[in-house]
Amino acid sequence: PQLQESGPGLVKPSETLALTCTVSGGSITSAYYWGWIRQAPGKGLEWIGSIYYRGTTYYNPSLQSRAAISADPSKNQFSLRLSSVTAADTAVYSCVRHSPFQVPRGWFDSWGQGNLVSVSS
Amino acid sequence: DIQMTQSPSTLSGSPGDRVTITCRASQTISSWLAWYQVKPGKAPRLLIYKASDLESGVPSRFSGSGSGTEFTLTISSLQPDDFATYYCQQYNSYPTFGPGTKVEIK
Repeated sequence: PQLQESGPGLVKPSETLALTCTVSGGSITSAYYWGWIRQAPGKGLEWIGSIYYRGTTYYNPSLQSRAAISADPSKNQFSLRLSSVTAADTAVYSCVRHSPFQVPRGWFDSWGQGNLVSVSS
Repeated sequence: DIQMTQSPSTLSGSPGDRVTITCRASQTISSWLAWYQVKPGKAPRLLIYKASDLESGVPSRFSGSGSGTEFTLTISSLQPDDFATYYCQQYNSYPTFGPGTKVEIK
């Protein structure tokens, strides 16, 4: 499948970052999970969380209190909301397809190109 | 968290070279390891999962090995398209990634 992120490129500190991933060439109602990964400038890759289209979610413990992932099967989309953002949340955010291997375990076999989100006033 | 390290951080090679990247986990992860290729402005690409299983469509010059805490990604003959950054990722618990190895042209 093809995954494409969309959303604002600039968010103010303390506000909520919101991104959507549109999936084409495949259905989010398949057996896979769908997730988000980010990479801050000069930093490594960080898994944020993943969702099954029926609503089951898993999150990175370090972001669990601020992250929320939802799915809209009717639009073949899933979304990320990250609350109370700071400059440390500035990153390229990528949506991914998460292999259905004992999630949250598993690997990521399809990626979007990524959407740079900067947190600044 | 399971911490992942990679070595070297940068590797210089010429087309045709055989190159090897090492990935180490802070605790045993069995064979629950994947490798990715990342190029600027492009979607990352899964190369290998379960330490040595080649993803469909990935050239056979890529191979992975290892288990426990030490793993390797080998490119048997570097091609111009292979100059990129490579990341390992463990999935013995919630996913974490290594810091990356940049393969650059010598």
